[in-house]
Amino acid sequence: QVQLQESGPGLMKPLETLSLTCSVSGGSISGGDYYWTWIRQPAGQGLEWIGRIYTSGRTNYNPSLQSRLIMSVDTSKNHFSLKMRSVTAADTAVYYCARATFYRSGNDYYWYLDLWGRGTLVTVSS
Amino acid sequence: DIQMTQSPSTLSASVGDRVTITCRASQSIGTYLNWYQQKAGKAPELLIYSASTLQSGVPSRFSGSGSGTDFTLTINSLQPEDFATYYCQQSYNNPRTFGPGTKVDMK
Repeated sequence: QVQLQESGPGLMKPLETLSLTCSVSGGSISGGDYYWTWIRQPAGQGLEWIGRIYTSGRTNYNPSLQSRLIMSVDTSKNHFSLKMRSVTAADTAVYYCARATFYRSGNDYYWYLDLWGRGTLVTVSS
Repeated sequence: DIQMTQSPSTLSASVGDRVTITCRASQSIGTYLNWYQQKAGKAPELLIYSASTLQSGVPSRFSGSGSGTDFTLTINSLQPEDFATYYCQQSYNNPRTFGPGTKVDMK
């Protein structure tokens, strides 16, 4: 079955650019109507939606992070990526990638996150 | 952004109990509401989407209801594997937002 696996730097210094990749295995990243999504979770806290990208390249970003984000999809490598510039300690979190799919009822599309990666811890510290 | 709140923040219960968690949206979101379960050290998992549709493979003791601004997740006959944190999420618009979570722990 389809699985997602995040990879990232682990430890970073403030003001560096975070680069994360989510590898999709067991299926094609462009094999359906999916939005590929990033979510993060600081230790002991709740979930924050970072943004999502469609295989066409269309993106939606969280406005609170938008100025620092770039998401991309590489269908040849079957992965999608997140870049976040100028990180600070506040960006320390577990970062998850996830697949968003939908249930259609008439003209309504109910999107939900049906598949998640295990998460990767990113620590920003000087 | 749509703000999501949940109550209670922590719920102490025993195996076999019926548990109810409430989620409220800051504006009407129809039934664009999902529920996730997260166990310690693990990624969240989808339980329910569109407020009341059970994800494939999720036990039938889980159920969801509500529309507009008020939603409920119910666990009938709590099982040992259900001790976890539960999050609601709206999918009405962007940015998708999550509730702060409800931790269900052992009484």
